[in-house]
Amino acid sequence: GAGVSQSPSNKVTEKGKDVELRCDPISGHTALYWYRQRLGQGLEFLIYFQGNSAPDKSGLPSDRFSAERTGESVSTLTIQRTQQEDSAVYLCASSPGPGLNTEAFFGQGTRLTVV
Amino acid sequence: DAKTTQPPSMDCAEGRAANLPCNHSTISGNEYVYWYRQIHSQGPQYIIHGLKNNETNEMASLIITEDRKSSTLILPHATLRDTAVYYCIVRVDGGYNKLIFGAGTRLAVHP
Repeated sequence: GAGVSQSPSNKVTEKGKDVELRCDPISGHTALYWYRQRLGQGLEFLIYFQGNSAPDKSGLPSDRFSAERTGESVSTLTIQRTQQEDSAVYLCASSPGPGLNTEAFFGQGTRLTVV
Repeated sequence: DAKTTQPPSMDCAEGRAANLPCNHSTISGNEYVYWYRQIHSQGPQYIIHGLKNNETNEMASLIITEDRKSSTLILPHATLRDTAVYYCIVRVDGGYNKLIFGAGTRLAVHP
């Protein structure tokens, strides 16, 4: 596709359920980022994938959060045993490579509501 | 990553220039200054970046001081659609270049 695609666009889930959020980066982009944005707040870094290197998971808030990426394509962010505090917009971005001078392109996000 | 400091909010009249400041006093010599913006309910959008020379593109101009400790993003003729949160980011060199967003400046353009 022409841009970063995220699905679903909206997700309502019950507290305690697991959810999977999907990100399709721009073709050829080796770097992929996940962010969380709570209502009225800034972007909170979660995880960063760069090619075949080990991902930077330093932003994951707890062990309920995990993410995978298959090669340089699709990524899935999984939240287990969701809590109401997990309600937020989850944004994915991709960029061409590890060097400087590479802008990141963001998707429209998945709005997660935990009830 | 070097930290950046931005005012939390600014106002600008439509048609006037919007000048958004950013302080990055601990920036390293090989770190670039990036600007992104986030319009309500959308993902962030890249605007411009620079190292030490002033830069201009179709969206904005970036003025970086000679000592590189601060910069200003200039929207030459602000429109209502420029109302957004503007983020100034300093990006580290090396293999891992994760983008860390601060609180940004909320710019309100009014008629």
